[in-house]
Amino acid sequence: TQLLEQSPQFLSIQEGENLTVYCNSSSVFSSLQWYRQEPGEGPVLLVTVVTGGEVKKLKRLTFQFGDARKDSSLHITAAQPGDTGLYLCAGALGGGYNKLIFGAGTRLAVHP
Amino acid sequence: DAMVIQNPRYQVTQFGKPVTLSCSQTLNHNVMYWYQQKSSQAPKLLFHYYDKDFNNEADTPDNFQSRRPNTSFCFLDIRSPGLGDAAMYLCATSRDFTGTEQFFGPGTRLTVL
Repeated sequence: TQLLEQSPQFLSIQEGENLTVYCNSSSVFSSLQWYRQEPGEGPVLLVTVVTGGEVKKLKRLTFQFGDARKDSSLHITAAQPGDTGLYLCAGALGGGYNKLIFGAGTRLAVHP
Repeated sequence: DAMVIQNPRYQVTQFGKPVTLSCSQTLNHNVMYWYQQKSSQAPKLLFHYYDKDFNNEADTPDNFQSRRPNTSFCFLDIRSPGLGDAAMYLCATSRDFTGTEQFFGPGTRLTVL
């Protein structure tokens, strides 16, 4: 069974703090995606990483794909209340059918 | 704007009363997916269509069926909803199987009374 483990499960911080969310697996992924989901809404794609060691930046968000393509991290600098939400990582195993394996998510609350 | 649309956003049904959720997309993507998401859990894939080819996940209950009459629309039918079927149902699309990016609709929150 392929699993993606996300940590921490919950994170409650003050506005302006930095944070890192981790996504780990024993499986190798052909690509990995990060989504943000707000309450009562569907997940919104933030980024896709494909190459081992790849780093992508999206304003205050920095995404890294591990060298072995088994893990990934999301770092948020100077968090704002608008960053509040559920962050999901999802890995694609590749091959003929790129089914996504989802992590259980990290629920982030940023307080003013 | 190209998008994935789900209707209704909120659906209330009674125990055992059939219900249909709908999804439409203007992305012209070949693949459409249905996921079930319960509170504080990851989305769980129920099935997907590649064009008209239907693929069921092994652990999807027989109570759940799907139809895709054309490229743009896909329906999720729950024949006899139980209390355990109360969840958020998410529709997603992807261009094809080689493109791994999936685009989600806003979801339908199903309540079973």
